[in-house]
Amino acid sequence: GNSVTQMEGPVTLSEEAFLTINCTYTATGYPSLFWYVQYPGEGLQLLLKATKADDKGSNKGFEATYRKETTSFHLEKGSVQVSDSAVYFCALRSGRGSTLGRLYFGRGTQLTVWP
Amino acid sequence: GAGVSQSPSNKVTEKGKDVELRCDPISGHTALYWYRQSLGQGLEFLIYFQGNSAPDKSGLPSDRFSAERTGGSVSTLTIQRTQQEDSAVYLCASSSRKTGEETQYFGPGTRLLVL
Repeated sequence: GNSVTQMEGPVTLSEEAFLTINCTYTATGYPSLFWYVQYPGEGLQLLLKATKADDKGSNKGFEATYRKETTSFHLEKGSVQVSDSAVYFCALRSGRGSTLGRLYFGRGTQLTVWP
Repeated sequence: GAGVSQSPSNKVTEKGKDVELRCDPISGHTALYWYRQSLGQGLEFLIYFQGNSAPDKSGLPSDRFSAERTGGSVSTLTIQRTQQEDSAVYLCASSSRKTGEETQYFGPGTRLLVL
């Protein structure tokens, strides 16, 4: 089946620290992978995505590389800012069959960045 | 419209009452999804509409939940005989398959509280 496991939070960092949020998946076929972000009081927004193995998604200084060999899509940022404080969700969309379309989400990781 | 809109933004109801939640997808988007976000369960898929095809209802938690999409646009999620465990944020998303992009864009959600 399809599932996403992501690093348990909360994660607390100082400004300019390096961020990694781990995400691994199981999937049928060749999934597309996503990171969504939810800022306080706001809705889910797409942060970045990758649709095939070895693709790197990037946006706002965040990066994630689709690693088929390790079934991972870890989120990284070299220098976090206070404004990055949010909940981050890893998700996959199956590439096969009747489950095509729906997203499978991880449980979310709360990130708090202190000045 | 510019984005996915949902109404109401908040809904408080008494146990046993029926509620209707509305979603207006992005104009031209053929796919529409409902998800539920709750503390205990994270983000769960509920139902998926794609064009004129039969909807994927595999995520609906019970027969008290139903959804329809009229004219390929607006969708209504109905919960009959609400229970306290139905309290959650109900999220709607839409995507376009025409471009092959298939990124799901989320609305702000309806926060449902069942007393």
